[in-house]
Amino acid sequence: SQKIEQNSEALNIQEGKTATLTCNYTNYSPAYLQWYRQDPGRGPVFLLLIRENEKEKRKERLKVTFDTTLKQSLFHITASQPADSATYLCALDVGQAGTALIFGKGTTLSVSS
Amino acid sequence: SAVISQKPSRDICQRGTSLTIQCQVDSQVTMMFWYRQQPGQSLTLIATANQGSEATYESGFVIDKFPISRPNLTFSTLTVSNMSPEDSSIYLCSVGGGLNTEAFFGQGTRLTVV
Repeated sequence: SQKIEQNSEALNIQEGKTATLTCNYTNYSPAYLQWYRQDPGRGPVFLLLIRENEKEKRKERLKVTFDTTLKQSLFHITASQPADSATYLCALDVGQAGTALIFGKGTTLSVSS
Repeated sequence: SAVISQKPSRDICQRGTSLTIQCQVDSQVTMMFWYRQQPGQSLTLIATANQGSEATYESGFVIDKFPISRPNLTFSTLTVSNMSPEDSSIYLCSVGGGLNTEAFFGQGTRLTVV
């Protein structure tokens, strides 16, 4: 069966450390993988997108890797801050027009000062 | 980009009643998506709403329970019918997100059925 899993439901780290979140999938062949941030009471907000032929993508303190052999994406936040505390969702994009994203359950990150 | 206004933001409803959720987009879009997010769970796609045709429902969701309207390219409604406590959830509308584009979401509707 098809599955998308974010390994940790919750991750607690200290300010200044690097947070690493994992997204694994089975029985999908996504063309792209996306990461979103969701704050309580809000809809998800897009952060980064990485294509299947890209190994790594960076945006400011964020870095995403995509390994189609391992069927895994890693999402890193460097120099984390309390304001980074939120739920982070990975989403698979199978690359077909009009097709909705397929979301993981999310990992709730808490950054303590 | 797209800005989506979704309302209501929250509601508490009696079992057996219905609630209609509205989403207004600030630009014309072909597809709108409706998701449900149960506590501690991922966003689950309910249906895809295409203007001018009936919505396409995912497995486990039926039109009688979740009727959808899509009268034009900027607006859609989702009705949760004959509600039970199991329908308590966050409901989200969305546009975009496939084929190398980012998705935009409404703020969500937190529904509690008592």
